[in-house]
Formats: sequence, structure tokens, C-alpha cells
Amino acid sequence: DGGITQSPKYLFRKEGQNVTLSCEQNLNHDAMYWYRQDPGQGLRLIYYSQIVNDFQKGDIAEGYSVSREKKESFPLTVTSAQKNPTAFYLCASSFRPGRGVKTQYFGPGTRLLVL
Amino acid sequence: QKEVEQDPGPLSVPEGAIVSLNCTYSNSAFQYFMWYRQYSRKGPELLMYTYSSGNKEDGRFTAQVDKSSKYISLFIRDSQPSDSATYLCAMRKEGGATNKLIFGTGTLLAVQP
Repeated sequence: DGGITQSPKYLFRKEGQNVTLSCEQNLNHDAMYWYRQDPGQGLRLIYYSQIVNDFQKGDIAEGYSVSREKKESFPLTVTSAQKNPTAFYLCASSFRPGRGVKTQYFGPGTRLLVL
Repeated sequence: QKEVEQDPGPLSVPEGAIVSLNCTYSNSAFQYFMWYRQYSRKGPELLMYTYSSGNKEDGRFTAQVDKSSKYISLFIRDSQPSDSATYLCAMRKEGGATNKLIFGTGTLLAVQP
């Protein structure tokens, strides 16, 4: 079954701690995205990557970092600089423009809570 | 002003009702329009995908795009309690270097049995 997996489902962060959220896809998609979802605010783009070893900041990148060493994987690190990290984090993927359906598919999400 | 506006609801309807969910947008360059369904504490799933103007039907769901009014709609016929979810509209421009989407904030729908 092709799809996007995110782990863990729930993650707890202590003050001053960095935590990493995992995202893996086996859809052979080129691009991957990270969103943050807060109640009443919709989806806000954190980072996206169109190709391995390249990524761009989205609208709310401060306090977050990413890497794209493999096409299938796009982990997100929530650093201690992110002062309000409690949210639902969603990973998505898509084909690059000009190839395939021009939309994104989402993983099941990770809920991050601060202890 | 946001590029995409969506009434957050909540919208509560009785089972069997016809539901109309709507988004308005300001950028006339948008050509691809999507509706996602998101159950509580789950990731959004793609429900409908349309290009340019017109209607698209899939079972009980119909997506409608009116580019002249910059208005898109999702109709749900014979609504079921299992349709209770948040519905997100999304759109993007033709061409461009990415498949980045612009999302509405979502409408929370509750179908009462």
C-alpha cells in the first residue's frame, strides 16, 4: 500500500528540548511539505522540499529545521527556539509541477504537546 | 485580506440533508481547486480535485467552480453522520515552480442522526 507515514502519533516535549518528527512516503513523490495546524487557523506551511538536499522556508519556519537526505524522508525538528510548539503537525507530499496530479496528499499527523 | 476565505462554521444539519460548503478567493490565477475532508485528529484526505470551471460529481459529492465569481462549492447529498468532519478547500495556480497550495481555514460539519 502506497502512502505517507508519520511517527510518533503523539510526542511530548520538555522545555529546552529539541524533538524530531518523522515523515516517510512511498508514493515516489518528488516534493514534501510540513504544515502546522492550530484550532481556527487552518494549515500553515513550515518548510517544503522539491528535491533531495534542497528545501525552502514556508510561512512560519522560525524555530524549526528540516533535512532531505532521501527522496522518501523529510524529518522535521522542533527546536527549543520554538516557544509555542503545541500543535498538530502534518506532512504532505506531491509530484513536482508538470508531473502527475497537481495536488498534495497528507499523512496522519503528529500531535506535539509540551510538558 | 486572505487569499482564500472559508466560513469556519460549525454547520449542523440533520441526517439526509443536502449540505453546501463554500469558499471564496481573490486571486484570479487559481486554476486547480480541491476539497479535503479531515476527521478529528486525523490527516486531511483528498475528496475532490477539479481544474478550471465547471462541475465534478463523485457519488454523493459534487464540486462546483465558478471562476467568474471566484467561488467554489462542495455539495453533499443525503448527508450521513459519517460525513461529520472538517472540510478544507485548497487551490493553486497554473504553472509555477511548485505545487504549493493555498488553504481555507476549514468548515466544521456535524450531521445529526
